Amino acid sequence: QQQVKQSPQSLIVQKGGISIINCAYENTAFDYFPWYQQFPGKGPALLIAIRPDVSEKKEGRFTISFNKSAKQFSLHIMDSQPGDSATYFCAASSRDNYGQNFVFGPGTRLSVLP
Amino acid sequence: NAGVTQTPKFQVLKTGQSMTLQCAQDMNHNSMYWYRQDPGMGLRLIYYSASEGTTDKGEVPNGYNVSRLNKREFSLRLESAAPSQTSVYFCASTWGGPGELFFGEGSRLTVL
Repeated sequence: QQQVKQSPQSLIVQKGGISIINCAYENTAFDYFPWYQQFPGKGPALLIAIRPDVSEKKEGRFTISFNKSAKQFSLHIMDSQPGDSATYFCAASSRDNYGQNFVFGPGTRLSVLP
Repeated sequence: NAGVTQTPKFQVLKTGQSMTLQCAQDMNHNSMYWYRQDPGMGLRLIYYSASEGTTDKGEVPNGYNVSRLNKREFSLRLESAAPSQTSVYFCASTWGGPGELFFGEGSRLTVL
């Protein structure tokens, strides 16, 4: 129930195209859904995040779409650039008796071709 | 702004050796975490500390121990390293509620 599923495992997109990564969860107690971007040799860094009371959040070229009833959320990268080539992790977070718990998807390796 | 600082960045151990990974944050965060990252498996939680003085097991705690030395520092110890512990280890911190989790740069450990 704590698992977060993520697809695809890898994605190749041409420059200027749209990259779409999908995630799904089971635990309805999750109350925060962040996306992290990780470049080789670096730690993950927060890209964008959404709360379950909002269906969409946009920041520049990055948009999260959230479907609470389907327990799914996705990241859309518009006008994808070679500099977007990285690994993307979706995550879901909830508070339990011990603090804020974060569960991560397995990651999607995005390659944007010039 | 240092954020989350991990040491060492690289380490090679022989099976059975012990070592401690150090982590410090300068953001006055309450909660700190240790994750390991393996190919195709995302980030798996080893241990976390919701606040100073408390620690709890995560998904993969076997073979590890932790110490929340003070509010800033959270260390991860491998008492008897095994090849299965070859991984990249990330320390992270947050204020304690739903919000950004800040990560260190990682510690790359190889156990021969």
